[in-house]
Amino acid sequence: QVQLVQSGSELKQPGASVKVSCKASGYTFTRYAMNWVRQAPGQGLEWMGWINTNTGKATYAQGFTGRFVFSLGTSVSTAYLQISSLKAEDTAVYYCARGDSTGYDDYWGQGTLVTVSS
Amino acid sequence: EIVLTQSPGTLSLSPGERATLSCRASQSVSSSYLAWYQQKPGQSPRLLIYGASSRATGVPDRFSGSGSGTDFTLTISRLEPEDFAVYYCQQYGSSPETFGQGTKVEIK
Repeated sequence: QVQLVQSGSELKQPGASVKVSCKASGYTFTRYAMNWVRQAPGQGLEWMGWINTNTGKATYAQGFTGRFVFSLGTSVSTAYLQISSLKAEDTAVYYCARGDSTGYDDYWGQGTLVTVSS
Repeated sequence: EIVLTQSPGTLSLSPGERATLSCRASQSVSSSYLAWYQQKPGQSPRLLIYGASSRATGVPDRFSGSGSGTDFTLTISRLEPEDFAVYYCQQYGSSPETFGQGTKVEIK
């Protein structure tokens, strides 16, 4: 069965960096895109962008350029989200979600809570 | 960017009642690339509907989607206790993908 397992919660100080992992299993990793979605506390869903798991090319939504980097791991079937120069407003749950060829997100990771606080 | 507006913000209904959720787009959604997700507290979103009207695997047939162009609807024919949750629409026909702000279906 398809599974996306994300790394655990993180507590970081402002200015630090964080790297969230998303390990996929149960399907051929390179046949589907990987999307990243942010959900701030008590708020809705916000699409951050996606990475082509074949080529490694990343596309970022407006507002997620510069400090946000999507990448693929050298180990099997893992996608990463790295956020640098963390700010308090980056506090959120970050989800990875498998993207179907037409674009909808059919499987989601369990989410990773990133808390930025001094 | 396509803005999706969901209404109502909150729907207060009793189990067994019919729920009708609306999602209106600021411009036409190409190829009816409109999805609906359900999210319960502390859980990840779950795909219910894609392509405006196709049910995802394992989704009960009391959930149905309809619409095209700029107006879309998610209908839950008879609410079960497990259906009380927040529902989001998403358009994936043009970049950037966008989500609506959500409709909360709560127990009356």
